Amino acid sequence: GQNIDQPTEMTATEGAIVQINCTYQTSGFNGLFWYQQHAGEAPTFLSYNVLDGLEEKGRFSSFLSRSKGYSYLLLKELQMKDSASYLCAVGGGATNKLIFGTGTLLAVQP
Amino acid sequence: GAVVSQHPSWVICKSGTSVKIECRSLDFQATTMFWYRQFPKQSLMLMATSNEGSKATYEQGVEKDKFLINHASLTLSTLTVTSAHPEDSSFYICSATDRGYTDTQYFGPGTRLTVL
Repeated sequence: GQNIDQPTEMTATEGAIVQINCTYQTSGFNGLFWYQQHAGEAPTFLSYNVLDGLEEKGRFSSFLSRSKGYSYLLLKELQMKDSASYLCAVGGGATNKLIFGTGTLLAVQP
Repeated sequence: GAVVSQHPSWVICKSGTSVKIECRSLDFQATTMFWYRQFPKQSLMLMATSNEGSKATYEQGVEKDKFLINHASLTLSTLTVTSAHPEDSSFYICSATDRGYTDTQYFGPGTRLTVL
């Protein structure tokens, strides 16, 4: 079966670091994606990992371990505008469909 | 790059009418477009996968006669919600993948449909 798990909600403090975890079990794997979605808006692409290791892009980093079926998104120097849902998605199989997790709602507090 | 637009951004219609939503890739050719629906506080639900020049592939439980999808060119796909009812009220989002690139999907801004 296809299953992607991530925490439902997280809270962090402005200026701090937060790590959002994602575990997956899918029949195929063509890469793992992280998207950010603000309330009432469409998702925006943050990162893509297809090989094991850490990908850094400014304040955001994403890590992948294919053998463990595990990824995390690391957000540094949190800002209030980072309050949003963060969606973990896996591209898998012969099609280029993405399988989305339910998303992690991050609340950044002053 | 990789900009996807949707029109309209919101629409209010009466029950029983049909609504057409357009999805365009503005600066790239999209081999595949996807249509999602999202209810409040829930994640994205894939409705169908649309490939240019061929019939759309619908996910289980999605009525193909109710949600008509046309992908006539590499830059345009349309979703028509036929005989809309209040339970069809939702946030409809399209996405597109770049030809020959990764599976990265770029999302349109979404269309909020309210059926009275």
